[in-house]
Amino acid sequence: GQQLNQSPQSMFIQEGEDVSMNCTSSSIFNTWLWYKQDPGEGPVLLIALYKAGELTSNGRLTAQFGITRKDSFLNISASIPSDVGIYFCAGPSDRGSTLGRLYFGRGTQLTVWP
Amino acid sequence: NAGVTQTPKFRVLKTGQSMTLLCAQDMNHEYMYWYRQDPGMGLRLIHYSVGEGTTAKGEVPDGYNVSRLKKQNFLLGLESAAPSQTSVYFCASMSRRQETQYFGPGTRLLVL
Repeated sequence: GQQLNQSPQSMFIQEGEDVSMNCTSSSIFNTWLWYKQDPGEGPVLLIALYKAGELTSNGRLTAQFGITRKDSFLNISASIPSDVGIYFCAGPSDRGSTLGRLYFGRGTQLTVWP
Repeated sequence: NAGVTQTPKFRVLKTGQSMTLLCAQDMNHEYMYWYRQDPGMGLRLIHYSVGEGTTAKGEVPDGYNVSRLKKQNFLLGLESAAPSQTSVYFCASMSRRQETQYFGPGTRLLVL
């Protein structure tokens, strides 16, 4: 199956700092998705990217669809304690045999110290 | 509009017992999924369904069975629970016109 490599695995930062994380794939994706999972909850979609080179913002979050279509980046500016959680990248399968599947990275665990 | 709901929220089983996890969605989505989440392993797909009456295996299907008798429900069964199945289980659904999955709140399962 398609592999998504997400880094870093974990981050410990101070409130107010900026955060960057990325996701790379062994194959091309036509869509990149970024999810956030709050402690004890299910993942929730933050940003969806549909075009190579696309840069999309959602409040303090900015995500980019890499030009090669094999990577994506998520940045969080001026972090706050409620940014704590696990951030996942994901991309859909483009093969008919696995239509409807999403492939997920292993997640970046973010901890924000006040 | 409740989205995706899961029952139960938490369960403790003894090795060898069986149980069924229920997922329900009220968004008329065609696709439904069951994942398990373990520390450091991310979300791993167990089984999924692209329509009523159809199911397919994901990455880690062994020890689980599923059924999709109604479009809005997706059941995950453990016939003989093992300690290795201790995990948090998430259900998700997706419209075939979008590529965005919506997740339930999770079921925490402990197998002793």
